[in-house]
Amino acid sequence: VQLVESGGGLVKPGGSLRLSCAGSGFKFSDYYMSWIRQAPGKGLEWISYINSDGNTIDYADSVKGRFTISRDNAKNSLYLQMNSLRVDDTAVYYCARRAAIFEYWGQGALVTVSS
Amino acid sequence: DLQMTQTPSSLSASVGDRVTITCQASQDINYYLNWYQQKPGKAPKLLIYDASKLEAGVPSRFSGSGSATHFTLTINSLQPEDFGTYYCQQYPDLRFGQGTTVDLK
Repeated sequence: VQLVESGGGLVKPGGSLRLSCAGSGFKFSDYYMSWIRQAPGKGLEWISYINSDGNTIDYADSVKGRFTISRDNAKNSLYLQMNSLRVDDTAVYYCARRAAIFEYWGQGALVTVSS
Repeated sequence: DLQMTQTPSSLSASVGDRVTITCQASQDINYYLNWYQQKPGKAPKLLIYDASKLEAGVPSRFSGSGSATHFTLTINSLQPEDFGTYYCQQYPDLRFGQGTTVDLK
């Protein structure tokens, strides 16, 4: 099982960024997938999950209305569209397999929101 | 809102020590509690799921116990590779504890 995030970078407050997570080594379309973040020097915060066919989605209150999770099972890929970014969204963003027990994690993508 | 309180926030231990970390839930969560280990600059790794089930490939010196509101992660005979930060996490609310950093005494 391998999960590889991409798309991180530096963005100004109010800006947008799209993260991707490529899954391999398992049948991607069978699994819920999640995004979890970790601010510098801080703990872990779950932010979103999506079910296997994309019809069930949930978000943490901290990102609801600003972030959108999606997936493309044909491309074995998970996405996180982040809009209206704030300084406190600065974090390493991890994708993870499943949504109750986070079995496997990617290496993370750093998102820095700064002017 | 469900709260997860993890204690201690940090501890110092020696190789060979027995280490215990506690996670307390603000309400009954049955056995829906997982434990992760994170090393600096790395992604977390699942150790224990459903309070007491050892993830495949995780050494047997790690064990979990508890139910309802009180849970424990125990590391028997701490090894050098066990130093790092440990997090509990409950579901379905998907809340994490604040973490416990285990470092070398």
